[in-house]
Amino acid sequence: QKEVEQNSGPLSVPEGAIASLNCTYSDRGSQSFFWYRQYSGKSPELIMSIYSNGDKEDGRFTAQLNKASQYVSLLIRDSQPSDSATYLCAVNGSWGKLQFGAGTQVVVTP
Amino acid sequence: DTAVSQTPKYLVTQMGNDKSIKCEQNLGHDTMYWYKQDSKKFLKIMFSYNNKELIINETVPNRFSPKSPDKAHLNLHINSLELGDSAVYFCASSVGTGQETQYFGPGTRLLVL
Repeated sequence: QKEVEQNSGPLSVPEGAIASLNCTYSDRGSQSFFWYRQYSGKSPELIMSIYSNGDKEDGRFTAQLNKASQYVSLLIRDSQPSDSATYLCAVNGSWGKLQFGAGTQVVVTP
Repeated sequence: DTAVSQTPKYLVTQMGNDKSIKCEQNLGHDTMYWYKQDSKKFLKIMFSYNNKELIINETVPNRFSPKSPDKAHLNLHINSLELGDSAVYFCASSVGTGQETQYFGPGTRLLVL
């Protein structure tokens, strides 16, 4: 079983719609959770971090965390073509050891 | 101002050669990391240093040797390069060793022929 699992996609989303990305993790002791965006040929760039159960909103992005279900999600509202990228879910275990999912490719279609 | 920088950006070399990649961060962070992203885009940690001390050493062939001369620099030396070493290598840094955000450099694209 992979430690962090994501749907690989591609997730095709019409412009202006909501993109919903899901991630599950296996380490119950994980304390911090991150969503990174990676454009093709570029480095991962932090979108959101979340540490507590519930929702966290930042602009068009909302991260949701449910530690009991070992589940973290990312919603992108009013999706734009510039949101087309691969979104990486990362979960932090001990000593800052980030475990990444394989990423979900999002394609926003005009 | 570049926060985490890496050199070189691209590296094309022959099998069996030895090469080094350098990383520098000007964020004042205490912890630096090396990650490998393979052709399937899976990002996996290799090493981590905190204040020049090795704290994470994943199952990586001993042909890979990291070195941290000071907390702002982390280098990666690879001996006897193999075809399977072709990947993008990312350096990252964070404030501490706990749950803080990691910030990534631009990556070094290594191609072994």
